[in-house]
Amino acid sequence: GENVEQHPSTLSVQEGDSAVIKCTYSDSASNYFPWYKQELGKRPQLIIDIRSNVGEKKDQRIAVTLNKTAKHFSLHITETQPEDSAVYFCAARTGQGSSNTGKLIFGQGTTLQVKP
Amino acid sequence: ETGVTQSPTHLIKTRGQQVTLRCSSQSGHNTVSWYQQALGQGPQFIFQYYREEENGRGNFPPRFSGLQFPNYSSELNVNALELDDSALYLCASSPDRNLRGQYFGPGTRLTVT
Repeated sequence: GENVEQHPSTLSVQEGDSAVIKCTYSDSASNYFPWYKQELGKRPQLIIDIRSNVGEKKDQRIAVTLNKTAKHFSLHITETQPEDSAVYFCAARTGQGSSNTGKLIFGQGTTLQVKP
Repeated sequence: ETGVTQSPTHLIKTRGQQVTLRCSSQSGHNTVSWYQQALGQGPQFIFQYYREEENGRGNFPPRFSGLQFPNYSSELNVNALELDDSALYLCASSPDRNLRGQYFGPGTRLTVT
């Protein structure tokens, strides 16, 4: 069935280091891949997304890469700061088909801790 | 913060009861999706509404049902509550059913005792 695997489940880095979170999806028809950041007790916030027709997208310290052949995409955060500490979720939109009923399948989340 | 709102914030119900959760979508968004988020887990897709019609459903039983109104606000109804229904219920709205630019509401924390 449709599945998104996310690794690692926890990640601890020193302030200023880079952090990388990886996800693998199962539905080869998936064509849209957003990333969400969820701070404790708050709603998930969309931080970056990528469509299947591009391989990389950057927004300041955040970048996402996509390898459609391997069905793999990753979030890269450079120059990490303590305020980057949160749970990060990847998601993949399943193939929409003729009825356009694609849905977002989320990974299990990565708890990122940035130590000052 | 985005314009998606949900009510109530917290709710405590007894097993077997019924509950209705409400969501107001962001202005200009015609698609609402509902998710269940258990503690320590990623959001699980329940269903999606596009222009007042159900437009996709996840692996949830029929006792989970919903509505979308002409102003694109939405309700999630859960009948015959079970203990495992205890979770954070999130709604998210997007400009269209492609789900690009989907923004979440703050959620309703449901506890079933």
